[in-house]
Amino acid sequence: EAGVVQSPRYKIIEKKQPVAFWCNPISGHNTLYWYLQNLGQGPELLIRYENEEAVDDSQLPKDRFSAERLKGVDSTLKIQPAELGDSAVYLCASSTGTSLLDTQYFGPGTRLTVL
Amino acid sequence: AQTVTQSQPEMSVQEAETVTLSCTYDTSENNYYLFWYKQPPSRQMILVIRQEAYKQQNATENRFSVNFQKAAKSFSLKISDSQLGDTAMYFCAFAPNAGKSTFGDGTTLTVKP
Repeated sequence: EAGVVQSPRYKIIEKKQPVAFWCNPISGHNTLYWYLQNLGQGPELLIRYENEEAVDDSQLPKDRFSAERLKGVDSTLKIQPAELGDSAVYLCASSTGTSLLDTQYFGPGTRLTVL
Repeated sequence: AQTVTQSQPEMSVQEAETVTLSCTYDTSENNYYLFWYKQPPSRQMILVIRQEAYKQQNATENRFSVNFQKAAKSFSLKISDSQLGDTAMYFCAFAPNAGKSTFGDGTTLTVKP
């Protein structure tokens, strides 16, 4: 069974440029998460989807960040414009259901460097 | 707001020995879940073990076990018979019954041959 797929794995951009990250969850997983992980820190939830509905986006900086999961499968996270402080690893995870007992499976992440 | 504290930024252990990673949390919730995740170098984060707060019995998964002290809000991870493949960053995480997970800043564990 394929795991959570993320692309690109690495991205280097200049500040003020836009950037997008893509995530394809494990087949059949209805819940999808986007996390931000700064160097030396634990992940912080940005947004959680149940199917195509964003059920928790309270930590998403909506002035520059946006996300979508149009068909309830794969998802895209966008930053426009990027700032130096956005340099981090962006993790995607998925789970079968919405219970906290449902194991979250993480992707390898996208490492973003903003110059 | 919930907080999770991992007071040991780095730890090391000899292969085959036992090591304990510490985690404390702060919450006013009564029903919640606690997790330990492992993030090996350049690899995906995976769930190691989880504990439901209403269960008094400590969770165990093979060589991994926890010491859950609800009153003290402590949730330590014990790794027995450490293996080289256990080298990774370990994150403790807390999640209230109807909320999102809060992660600690991690402990980097190195298993030495």
